Amino acid sequence: EPEVTQTPSHQVTQMGQEVILRCVPISNHLYFYWYRQILGQKVEFLVSFYNNEISEKSEIFDDQFSVERPDGSNFTLKIRSTKLEDSAMYFCASSEFRAYEQYFGPGTRLTVT
Amino acid sequence: TQLLEQSPQFLSIQEGENLTVYCNSSSVFSSLQWYRQEPGEGPVLLVTVVTGGEVKKLKRLTFQFGDARKDSSLHITAAQPGDTGLYLCAGAGNNNDMRFGAGTRLTVKP
Repeated sequence: EPEVTQTPSHQVTQMGQEVILRCVPISNHLYFYWYRQILGQKVEFLVSFYNNEISEKSEIFDDQFSVERPDGSNFTLKIRSTKLEDSAMYFCASSEFRAYEQYFGPGTRLTVT
Repeated sequence: TQLLEQSPQFLSIQEGENLTVYCNSSSVFSSLQWYRQEPGEGPVLLVTVVTGGEVKKLKRLTFQFGDARKDSSLHITAAQPGDTGLYLCAGAGNNNDMRFGAGTRLTVKP
């Protein structure tokens, strides 16, 4: 069964460093998403991406964040200058139709020290 | 911002009991998804409901979407320890985003 994959599973970085989180969405899906979940808290929407551009973003997705689909399979989230409060699980998701039946990857645990 | 309230926040029951958890909002959703999440893992999609009043069944799980498409419920019949987990509802509005509730953490004791 097709699934969303994410790498790395765990990333440790120092405050101020740049990180890139990678995702491979399900191959026939057209809509891609990033979510964040701080330990013990709810899943929070960051951004959605369609047709090579951002279609929606939340108030969390500020100028330090960016997304890119560099080729036909990868979807990346870049955090330019990490802060301690960026420590969280980051989930990638994809769907065939807009905001409908999103399938999630296993997540990347980001730890900023 | 579409807020989804889930209740109860925590639920602990014995194996074999029935239960219902709720997902409520003041906003109308074009669709509503239910997910189950295990610790340290991504949410796993259980069902999507689209039509007001729609009822979907998945083995012992019954999902209902409110007539006004603002609320939903998940009913589990004869709960088993394997049903233990965090149950999340997520609603899709008019934009290309989806907002999650905080979840109901279910524990089913053998």
